[in-house]
Amino acid sequence: SAVISQKPSRDICQRGTSLTIQCQVDSQVTMMFWYRQQPGQSLTLIATANQGSEATYESGFVIDKFPISRPNLTFSTLTVSNMSPEDSSIYLCSVQRPGSFNEQFFGPGTRLTVL
Amino acid sequence: AQSVTQPDIHITVSEGASLELRCNYSYGATPYLFWYVQSPGQGLQLLLKYFSGDTLVQGIKGFEAEFKRSQSSFNLRKPSVHWSDAAEYFCAVGPVVTGGGNKLTFGTGTQLKVEL
Repeated sequence: SAVISQKPSRDICQRGTSLTIQCQVDSQVTMMFWYRQQPGQSLTLIATANQGSEATYESGFVIDKFPISRPNLTFSTLTVSNMSPEDSSIYLCSVQRPGSFNEQFFGPGTRLTVL
Repeated sequence: AQSVTQPDIHITVSEGASLELRCNYSYGATPYLFWYVQSPGQGLQLLLKYFSGDTLVQGIKGFEAEFKRSQSSFNLRKPSVHWSDAAEYFCAVGPVVTGGGNKLTFGTGTQLKVEL
């Protein structure tokens, strides 16, 4: 498995502001992913964070709203921009290690509340 | 497109009773299959996975799951539930991609309540 940490663990933000969430892994990984889990819902993939190139976004998610950085093989950030109450969710990063059969390991999540 | 159905939103069992959580998937071939558990306020923990071979897979915490190709199912079981098993359980499916990335598709989850 992999040890994954996320910062912050939770935050309460005002409408119109932005929050950057960090994801740190204890070893180099090929793939990093960002998910959103809205209250009472399942997980929805936002994007795949690619090292050294732009993230690949899923349908319904755009870079202007959710810019992602992946400066190296152990770290990624997700920014939630110009937040509204509808962005209140748990945001989780996950990783896939080299050679693994597509299994993903998840961080503890960041619980975001937008007022 | 791949999809996952967890038909039971909530399940309540008594401690010590057996448990089965249902999962059905839709995919053009045999996918990779996973069960994750999410305790309140926590991230997701991988319980078990199926890639190929033996259709009965063992996981952590005494859980097992059986892949049934004919029924497109991957049900999670535990012979005797403990109060600490109360959590939300997610079934997920991923494509068989050689050397590539993976897009896991999650079911809507089953909330398990354990009565003492």
